[in-house]
Amino acid sequence: GAVVSQHPSRVICKSGTSVKIECRSLDFQATTMFWYRQFPKQSLMLMATSNEGSKATYEQGVEKDKFLINHASLTLSTLTVTSAHPEDSSFYICSASTRGGRGEQYFGPGTRLTVT
Amino acid sequence: AQSVTQPDIHITVSEGASLELRCNYSYGATPYLFWYVQSPGQGLQLLLKYFSGDTLVQGIKGFEAEFKRSQSSFNLRKPSVHWSDAAEYFCAVGTSNDYKLSFGAGTTVTVRA
Repeated sequence: GAVVSQHPSRVICKSGTSVKIECRSLDFQATTMFWYRQFPKQSLMLMATSNEGSKATYEQGVEKDKFLINHASLTLSTLTVTSAHPEDSSFYICSASTRGGRGEQYFGPGTRLTVT
Repeated sequence: AQSVTQPDIHITVSEGASLELRCNYSYGATPYLFWYVQSPGQGLQLLLKYFSGDTLVQGIKGFEAEFKRSQSSFNLRKPSVHWSDAAEYFCAVGTSNDYKLSFGAGTTVTVRA
């Protein structure tokens, strides 16, 4: 149980284009989803927290107009990287938690974004 | 705000030997503590967690961790490592306020034959 999927697993896009990453909780309802960014050989950096049906809360320093997050249902959240640039290339990981889960997060397999 | 320190960036251990990964946290109240493992290019898998109660917690793959409030530590141990244990290990702390997790920098474990 508690499986989270991400799609796509890898994406290459040209500079200036937008790319959407989906995060789905497959067998549970995720009241909260989190989006992280991970640089090579580094830890996870929380980008934003989203609750179903409400606007995402972004961490300090994360551009909300660049990284659009939508949490339209209890099983789906999307991250759209708008006008992507090479410096946006990274590994993006989502996680999901349930109400009352006491902070336990279930992680997706990640999406490798390369902007050329 | 809470924070996590993993003092060891890289540990090399022989297959069959014991492993201990250190984790120290900073938080004013009782934290929620987690250990995750990440294989290259993959997401994170939960090894074990501590919320309350027994301070020695058992996890998957033969791992265990001990919560020591006096030392603000939550060290991960495994009595005998397997080559498949080579991975990146992250300690994380959460709180009951917002359920966000703060991650340590991670420890890379290399297993030699």
